[in-house]
Amino acid sequence: EAGVVQSPRYKIIEKKQPVAFWCNPISGHNTLYWYLQNLGQGPELLIRYENEEAVDDSQLPKDRFSAERLKGVDSTLKIQPAELGDSAVYLCASSLRGGPDTQYFGPGTRLTVL
Amino acid sequence: SQQGEEDPQALSIQEGENATMNCSYKTSINNLQWYRQNSGRGLVHLILIRSNEREKHSGRLRVTLDTSKKSSSLLITASRAADTASYFCATVLIQGAQKLVFGQGTRLTINP
Repeated sequence: EAGVVQSPRYKIIEKKQPVAFWCNPISGHNTLYWYLQNLGQGPELLIRYENEEAVDDSQLPKDRFSAERLKGVDSTLKIQPAELGDSAVYLCASSLRGGPDTQYFGPGTRLTVL
Repeated sequence: SQQGEEDPQALSIQEGENATMNCSYKTSINNLQWYRQNSGRGLVHLILIRSNEREKHSGRLRVTLDTSKKSSSLLITASRAADTASYFCATVLIQGAQKLVFGQGTRLTINP
């Protein structure tokens, strides 16, 4: 069974530029998560989807971040415009259902904003 | 905000020794999970312990949970160089959004 796929793995951009990350969850997993992980810290949830509905986006900075999960499968996370403080690893995870289920993580996208 | 706090932040031991990491949390939980993260990789789920369980084993891993003290420990026995990684505890709260809240992690280094 294929795991969670993310692309790109690495991205370097100038500040104020837009950037997008893509995630393909494990087949059949209804719940998809985007996390932000700063260096030396644990992941922090940005947004959670149940199928195509965003059910928890309270931690998503909506002035510059947006996300979508069309057709309840793949998801895209966008930042526009990027700021220096956005440099971090962006992790995508999926689970069969939401709630307390085990989550399966992708390898992440390491973003560097110059 | 992060609910869990791991202790120690970093641990370095010799191969073959046992490694113990601790996690404390603040509010009542549904379950607590431990994850491993190798450098530059995503997180890998290790073990889940429910609030009504006190101890769980998986291979060389042993997890305990003390809900009265709001703490958990992860023991890795007979450590190997491949165990070098960061280990995170994550809690699912009883109340509010059913989501994982991660601690800051313990960086474990196994010296050959």
